[in-house]
Amino acid sequence: GAGVSQTPSNKVTEKGKYVELRCDPISGHTALYWYRQSLGQGPEFLIYFQGTGAADDSGLPNDRFFAVRPEGSVSTLKIQRTERGDSAVYLCASSSPPGALYGYTFGSGTRLTVV
Amino acid sequence: AQSVTQLGSHVSVSEGALVLLRCNYSSSVPPYLFWYVQYPNQGLQLLLKYTSAATLVKGINGFEAEFKKSETSFHLTKPSAHMSDAAEYFCAVRGYYGQNFVFGPGTRLSVLP
Repeated sequence: GAGVSQTPSNKVTEKGKYVELRCDPISGHTALYWYRQSLGQGPEFLIYFQGTGAADDSGLPNDRFFAVRPEGSVSTLKIQRTERGDSAVYLCASSSPPGALYGYTFGSGTRLTVV
Repeated sequence: AQSVTQLGSHVSVSEGALVLLRCNYSSSVPPYLFWYVQYPNQGLQLLLKYTSAATLVKGINGFEAEFKKSETSFHLTKPSAHMSDAAEYFCAVRGYYGQNFVFGPGTRLSVLP
């Protein structure tokens, strides 16, 4: 597609529920990134995919968070047993070639609210 | 370790006035520095980047930034503010392994008529 697409744009869930957030990167971009932006803060890195594999998942806060990219294109961020502290905007970005040097193209984000 | 500080969470300027948004960084590797802008309900958009070439970097929408190694700074400026510049601005440094960004907390710019 023309840009990075994230769905849904808004998600409200109850504490303890499971959620999935989807990211559709720019066609042909091999690198995909997830960030989390809490209110009043800058985005924080979560995970980076090169192709189908997670090349760096050092930013995932705990084992409730997991992400996949099975075919090297669309990625899904999965959060189990959601907590109120998980409320944030989850941003996805893609790039080609990979790496911060080239800048990314960010999506508009999914706003997750855990009540 | 990589870190970014942005002095001033909120800056207000009059339309036509100089814009100055401050950014200081810490980096354990040669720094690559970036400014991103975020308009309401939109994704982050790259304004400009420093990648060890010229220290004065020009970006989109009339913005520029100067890399000063001795001051570990990368302040963003624009000679004359426009109403459309009102947004959140984030300074970022590349992560240690070069793949991710470490963002500052952001500065919200308001432009007054």
